[in-house]
Amino acid sequence: AQSVSQHNHHVILSEAASLELGCNYSYGGTVNLFWYVQYPGQHLQLLLKYFSGDPLVKGIKGFEAEFIKSKFSFNLRKPSVQWSDTAEYFCAVAGGNQGGKLIFGQGTELSVKP
Amino acid sequence: DGGITQSPKYLFRKEGQNVTLSCEQNLNHDAMYWYRQDPGQGLRLIYYSQIVNDFQKGDIAEGYSVSREKKESFPLTVTSAQKNPTAFYLCASTNRGDFRGNYGYTFGSGTRLTVV
Repeated sequence: AQSVSQHNHHVILSEAASLELGCNYSYGGTVNLFWYVQYPGQHLQLLLKYFSGDPLVKGIKGFEAEFIKSKFSFNLRKPSVQWSDTAEYFCAVAGGNQGGKLIFGQGTELSVKP
Repeated sequence: DGGITQSPKYLFRKEGQNVTLSCEQNLNHDAMYWYRQDPGQGLRLIYYSQIVNDFQKGDIAEGYSVSREKKESFPLTVTSAQKNPTAFYLCASTNRGDFRGNYGYTFGSGTRLTVV
């Protein structure tokens, strides 16, 4: 069965610090990979997604993620975080033959101190 | 504008009662999904439906039931058999022809259910 693991449950950073959130998945076939963000009191929003091609994916708000197939990883990065990046971040995987199910990781809560 | 509407936004239920959460979409999406969100556990799949009159159990289906009589609607019933129903419930949809997620998933704004 597919599963997604996010290593960090809560990350606290100061503004301008660099961010990397880990995400590993288990699935043997072709996958599509996503990062979603949920700001306090708001909907889930798509940050970025990977389907094929260039493994370095750029998303909104200066975020990027790198798909490393050999490591089953899809880590999220941002060179310099802002206070407004305070939110919960979810990594998710959809397998090619899994009926469209989107499987989420446990989420990482990011707190950015001004 | 196209989207997913979940209602109500907040719902209170007494122990032992069944309650139904509404999810309606006007995106013409074939597939719809119900997730439950709990702190520290992310989003867990309850049920999903790829086509009208068909649905499958997700990872945590016990104590829940669904129906898919219309393409636009995928209501979730939280039954009295669900031992810990207090949670945030999210509905989502995507195109059947694009289960790989090429267009992404659309999420509703959620329903927060509290058992009192």
